Amino acid sequence: RKEVEQDPGPFNVPEGATVAFNCTYSNSASQSFFWYRQDCRKEPKLLMSVYSSGNEDGRFTAQLNRASQYISLLIRDSKLSDSATYLCVVTRGTGNQFYFGTGTSLTVIP
Amino acid sequence: DVKVTQSSRYLVKRTGEKVFLECVQDMDHENMFWYRQDPGLGLRLIYFSYDVKMKEKGDIPEGYSVSREKKERFSLILESASTNQTSMYLCASSPPGTLLSGANVLTFGAGSRLTVL
Repeated sequence: RKEVEQDPGPFNVPEGATVAFNCTYSNSASQSFFWYRQDCRKEPKLLMSVYSSGNEDGRFTAQLNRASQYISLLIRDSKLSDSATYLCVVTRGTGNQFYFGTGTSLTVIP
Repeated sequence: DVKVTQSSRYLVKRTGEKVFLECVQDMDHENMFWYRQDPGLGLRLIYFSYDVKMKEKGDIPEGYSVSREKKERFSLILESASTNQTSMYLCASSPPGTLLSGANVLTFGAGSRLTVL
Protein backbone atom coordinates (compact mmCIF):
# COMPACT_ATOMS: atom_id res chain seq x y z
CA ARG A 1 0.00 0.00 0.00
CA LYS A 2 1.31 3.45 -0.88
CA GLU A 3 2.36 5.69 1.97
CA VAL A 4 0.25 8.58 0.64
CA GLU A 5 -2.62 8.32 -1.82
CA GLN A 6 -4.42 11.04 -3.72
CA ASP A 7 -7.04 11.15 -6.42
CA PRO A 8 -5.00 12.19 -9.49
CA GLY A 9 -7.91 14.01 -11.09
CA PRO A 10 -7.85 15.92 -13.31
CA PHE A 11 -10.23 18.40 -11.77
CA ASN A 12 -11.53 20.94 -14.27
CA VAL A 13 -13.55 23.66 -12.58
CA PRO A 14 -14.89 27.09 -13.62
CA GLU A 15 -13.54 30.27 -12.12
CA GLY A 16 -15.19 31.03 -8.81
CA ALA A 17 -15.94 27.41 -7.99
CA THR A 18 -15.07 25.66 -4.75
CA VAL A 19 -12.99 22.52 -5.11
CA ALA A 20 -11.80 19.98 -2.55
CA PHE A 21 -8.90 17.55 -2.70
CA ASN A 22 -8.49 14.54 -0.47
CA CYS A 23 -5.51 12.57 0.62
CA THR A 24 -5.07 9.50 2.81
CA TYR A 25 -1.92 8.25 4.50
CA SER A 26 -1.24 4.71 5.58
CA ASN A 27 1.06 5.07 8.58
CA SER A 28 -0.51 6.19 11.83
CA ALA A 29 2.93 7.31 13.04
CA SER A 30 2.95 10.12 10.48
CA GLN A 31 3.72 13.38 12.23
CA SER A 32 3.64 16.43 10.01
CA PHE A 33 1.40 17.18 7.07
CA PHE A 34 1.66 19.59 4.19
CA TRP A 35 0.18 20.62 0.89
CA TYR A 36 2.61 21.58 -1.84
CA ARG A 37 1.77 23.17 -5.16
CA GLN A 38 3.63 22.34 -8.36
CA ASP A 39 3.22 24.34 -11.54
CA CYS A 40 3.92 22.71 -14.88
CA ARG A 41 7.66 22.03 -15.32
CA LYS A 42 8.46 23.77 -12.04
CA GLU A 43 9.55 22.55 -8.64
CA PRO A 44 7.06 21.88 -5.82
CA LYS A 45 6.56 24.78 -3.43
CA LEU A 46 4.99 24.77 0.01
CA LEU A 47 1.38 25.89 -0.07
CA MET A 48 0.55 25.32 3.57
CA SER A 49 1.19 23.13 6.56
CA VAL A 50 -1.77 21.21 7.96
CA TYR A 51 -2.46 21.33 11.67
CA SER A 52 -4.68 19.10 13.77
CA SER A 53 -7.09 21.91 14.47
CA GLY A 54 -7.39 22.78 10.80
CA ASN A 55 -6.05 25.98 9.35
CA GLU A 56 -6.93 28.57 6.79
CA ASP A 57 -4.89 30.84 4.56
CA GLY A 58 -7.05 33.15 2.53
CA ARG A 59 -9.09 31.06 0.11
CA PHE A 60 -7.36 27.85 1.17
CA THR A 61 -8.46 25.65 4.06
CA ALA A 62 -6.64 22.50 5.17
CA GLN A 63 -8.05 19.84 7.48
CA LEU A 64 -6.49 16.85 9.19
CA ASN A 65 -8.34 13.86 10.58
CA ARG A 66 -5.84 11.68 12.43
CA ALA A 67 -8.40 9.03 13.34
CA SER A 68 -9.24 8.46 9.68
CA GLN A 69 -5.71 9.27 8.47
CA TYR A 70 -7.15 11.76 6.05
CA ILE A 71 -6.09 15.23 4.89
CA SER A 72 -8.07 17.65 2.79
CA LEU A 73 -7.54 20.92 0.96
CA LEU A 74 -10.42 23.21 0.09
CA ILE A 75 -10.01 26.04 -2.40
CA ARG A 76 -12.77 28.63 -2.48
CA ASP A 77 -13.43 31.13 -5.28
CA SER A 78 -11.01 29.42 -7.66
CA LYS A 79 -8.76 31.63 -9.78
CA LEU A 80 -7.11 30.83 -13.10
CA SER A 81 -3.78 31.10 -11.27
CA ASP A 82 -4.76 28.18 -9.02
CA SER A 83 -4.26 25.80 -11.95
CA ALA A 84 -1.47 23.46 -10.84
CA THR A 85 -0.82 20.05 -9.34
CA TYR A 86 -1.36 19.80 -5.60
CA LEU A 87 0.83 17.37 -3.68
CA CYS A 88 -0.05 15.89 -0.32
CA VAL A 89 3.04 15.33 1.85
CA VAL A 90 3.50 13.63 5.22
CA THR A 91 6.52 13.02 7.41
CA ARG A 92 7.35 10.46 10.03
CA GLY A 93 10.32 9.04 11.86
CA THR A 94 12.38 11.94 13.14
CA GLY A 95 10.30 14.21 10.95
CA ASN A 96 12.99 14.22 8.34
CA GLN A 97 11.51 11.65 6.00
CA PHE A 98 8.96 13.07 3.58
CA TYR A 99 6.41 11.00 1.69
CA PHE A 100 4.62 12.41 -1.33
CA GLY A 101 1.34 11.62 -2.98
CA THR A 102 1.37 11.53 -6.77
CA GLY A 103 -0.54 14.79 -6.91
CA THR A 104 -3.96 16.04 -7.96
CA SER A 105 -4.19 18.09 -11.13
CA LEU A 106 -6.41 21.18 -11.10
CA THR A 107 -7.35 23.30 -14.11
CA VAL A 108 -9.48 26.39 -13.54
CA ILE A 109 -11.41 27.31 -16.66
CA PRO A 110 -12.42 30.87 -17.58
CA ASP B 1 14.57 33.12 1.48
CA VAL B 2 16.10 29.68 1.31
CA LYS B 3 17.65 29.06 -2.02
CA VAL B 4 18.44 25.66 -3.43
CA THR B 5 20.38 25.79 -6.66
CA GLN B 6 20.80 22.92 -9.08
CA SER B 7 23.66 23.38 -11.47
CA SER B 8 22.04 22.09 -14.65
CA ARG B 9 18.45 22.56 -15.77
CA TYR B 10 18.69 20.33 -18.84
CA LEU B 11 21.17 17.60 -19.65
CA VAL B 12 21.39 15.09 -22.48
CA LYS B 13 23.73 12.16 -21.95
CA ARG B 14 24.47 8.88 -23.66
CA THR B 15 24.01 5.44 -22.17
CA GLY B 16 27.03 4.48 -20.08
CA GLU B 17 28.20 8.03 -19.39
CA LYS B 18 28.91 9.18 -15.85
CA VAL B 19 26.61 11.99 -14.80
CA PHE B 20 27.02 14.48 -11.96
CA LEU B 21 24.12 16.51 -10.68
CA GLU B 22 25.11 19.24 -8.26
CA CYS B 23 22.94 20.90 -5.63
CA VAL B 24 23.85 23.78 -3.33
CA GLN B 25 21.76 25.36 -0.57
CA ASP B 26 22.52 28.62 1.18
CA MET B 27 20.63 28.35 4.47
CA ASP B 28 22.89 26.05 6.46
CA HIS B 29 20.33 23.23 6.39
CA GLU B 30 21.38 19.91 7.84
CA ASN B 31 19.12 17.78 5.66
CA MET B 32 19.42 17.39 1.92
CA PHE B 33 17.54 15.09 -0.44
CA TRP B 34 17.55 13.85 -3.99
CA TYR B 35 14.27 12.84 -5.62
CA ARG B 36 13.27 11.83 -9.08
CA GLN B 37 9.86 12.65 -10.46
CA ASP B 38 8.16 10.66 -13.20
CA PRO B 39 4.60 10.92 -14.55
CA GLY B 40 2.20 8.75 -12.61
CA LEU B 41 4.83 7.81 -10.04
CA GLY B 42 5.23 11.10 -8.21
CA LEU B 43 8.37 11.98 -6.31
CA ARG B 44 10.54 9.09 -5.22
CA LEU B 45 13.41 9.47 -2.81
CA ILE B 46 16.80 8.35 -4.10
CA TYR B 47 19.15 9.34 -1.27
CA PHE B 48 19.21 11.74 1.62
CA SER B 49 21.78 13.13 4.01
CA TYR B 50 21.46 14.43 7.55
CA ASP B 51 24.99 15.76 7.84
CA VAL B 52 28.31 16.14 6.12
CA LYS B 53 29.72 12.84 4.87
CA MET B 54 26.56 11.10 5.96
CA LYS B 55 24.13 9.46 3.52
CA GLU B 56 21.14 7.19 3.68
CA LYS B 57 19.44 5.21 0.93
CA GLY B 58 15.97 6.21 -0.02
CA ASP B 59 13.42 4.12 -1.86
CA ILE B 60 15.22 3.79 -5.20
CA PRO B 61 19.00 4.07 -4.69
CA GLU B 62 19.99 1.50 -7.31
CA GLY B 63 22.16 2.98 -10.03
CA TYR B 64 22.90 6.11 -8.02
CA SER B 65 25.42 7.32 -5.49
CA VAL B 66 25.79 10.59 -3.60
CA SER B 67 28.45 12.75 -2.06
CA ARG B 68 28.24 15.31 0.70
CA GLU B 69 31.69 16.70 1.43
CA LYS B 70 30.38 20.10 2.54
CA LYS B 71 27.22 20.98 4.37
CA GLU B 72 25.87 23.16 1.60
CA ARG B 73 26.52 20.77 -1.29
CA PHE B 74 24.89 17.43 -2.11
CA SER B 75 25.82 15.73 -5.35
CA LEU B 76 24.01 12.92 -7.15
CA ILE B 77 26.09 10.62 -9.31
CA LEU B 78 24.96 8.23 -12.00
CA GLU B 79 27.97 5.98 -12.48
CA SER B 80 26.75 4.58 -15.79
CA ALA B 81 23.64 6.29 -17.09
CA SER B 82 20.85 4.17 -18.53
CA THR B 83 17.76 5.12 -20.48
CA ASN B 84 15.49 4.29 -17.54
CA GLN B 85 17.19 7.08 -15.62
CA THR B 86 15.68 9.66 -17.93
CA SER B 87 13.72 11.79 -15.49
CA MET B 88 13.33 15.06 -13.64
CA TYR B 89 15.71 15.17 -10.68
CA LEU B 90 14.84 17.40 -7.76
CA CYS B 91 17.14 18.38 -4.94
CA ALA B 92 15.69 19.65 -1.67
CA SER B 93 16.86 20.77 1.74
CA SER B 94 15.29 21.25 5.15
CA PRO B 95 16.29 22.17 8.69
CA PRO B 96 16.17 19.36 11.26
CA GLY B 97 12.60 18.26 11.93
CA THR B 98 11.06 18.25 15.35
CA LEU B 99 7.74 16.73 16.23
CA LEU B 100 4.93 19.02 15.18
CA SER B 101 7.37 21.91 14.88
CA GLY B 102 6.49 22.65 11.32
CA ALA B 103 10.11 23.65 10.93
CA ASN B 104 10.97 20.72 8.74
CA VAL B 105 9.66 22.22 5.54
CA LEU B 106 11.25 21.06 2.32
CA THR B 107 12.55 23.62 -0.13
CA PHE B 108 13.28 22.42 -3.64
CA GLY B 109 15.65 23.43 -6.35
CA ALA B 110 14.33 24.16 -9.85
CA GLY B 111 15.08 20.64 -11.02
CA SER B 112 17.40 19.00 -13.53
CA ARG B 113 15.76 17.32 -16.48
CA LEU B 114 18.01 14.49 -17.63
CA THR B 115 17.60 12.65 -20.91
CA VAL B 116 19.68 9.54 -21.49
CA LEU B 117 19.89 8.43 -25.10
